[in-house]
Amino acid sequence: EVQLVESGGGLVQPGRSLKLSCAASGFTFSDYNMAWVRQAPKKGLEWVATIIYDGSRTYYRDSVKGRFTISRDNAKSTLYLQMDSLRSEDTATYYCAILRGWFAYWGQGTLVTVSS
Amino acid sequence: DTVLTQSPALAVSPGERVTISCRASESVSTLMHWYQQKPGQQPTLLIYLASNLESGVPARFSGSGSGTDFTLTIDPVEADDTATYYCQQSWNDPWTFGGGTKLELK
Repeated sequence: EVQLVESGGGLVQPGRSLKLSCAASGFTFSDYNMAWVRQAPKKGLEWVATIIYDGSRTYYRDSVKGRFTISRDNAKSTLYLQMDSLRSEDTATYYCAILRGWFAYWGQGTLVTVSS
Repeated sequence: DTVLTQSPALAVSPGERVTISCRASESVSTLMHWYQQKPGQQPTLLIYLASNLESGVPARFSGSGSGTDFTLTIDPVEADDTATYYCQQSWNDPWTFGGGTKLELK
């Protein structure tokens, strides 16, 4: 059974950092491109970042470029999102997702709240 | 960015047929996908590449369209279909989502 389990969310002050993790199981993690998608409270979905299966390339939405870093450890079947210089507008539930040209499978999400 | 426009909400009775539309601000070919998000849950994939039913999804769900106009159809609607439905395109960068259509059952 495919499982994606996010962790690392919480309350953080503006300007501080947080690192999210997504533990994958039930499939060959190293075969798939992966992504982070976020959803602000009571709002819609927004793609954040993508990483290629071998970690060789990464892509970001403009609003997080230079502040967020997506990475992966294929030996540990784990996806990461390092979030620096956090802003109030980054408050959201962050989902990791398996990519097949679309978001094929989603984790349950982890809530990040940026507030003083 | 490619803007995807969806109607905000719909209300239908169980057993009826419902169509949820998604209009793109520019062509996305057939690289349109649909997701269902029930309250308090993560989204799940329903339809990929405009008209392909994801494994395990009931055949009551279907998708159609190409270019700029797409439709998700549920026929017949069941009580369990209460959810918000999102379209998403992967033809143009960045990938974008529609604002979602909240489906309520009467």
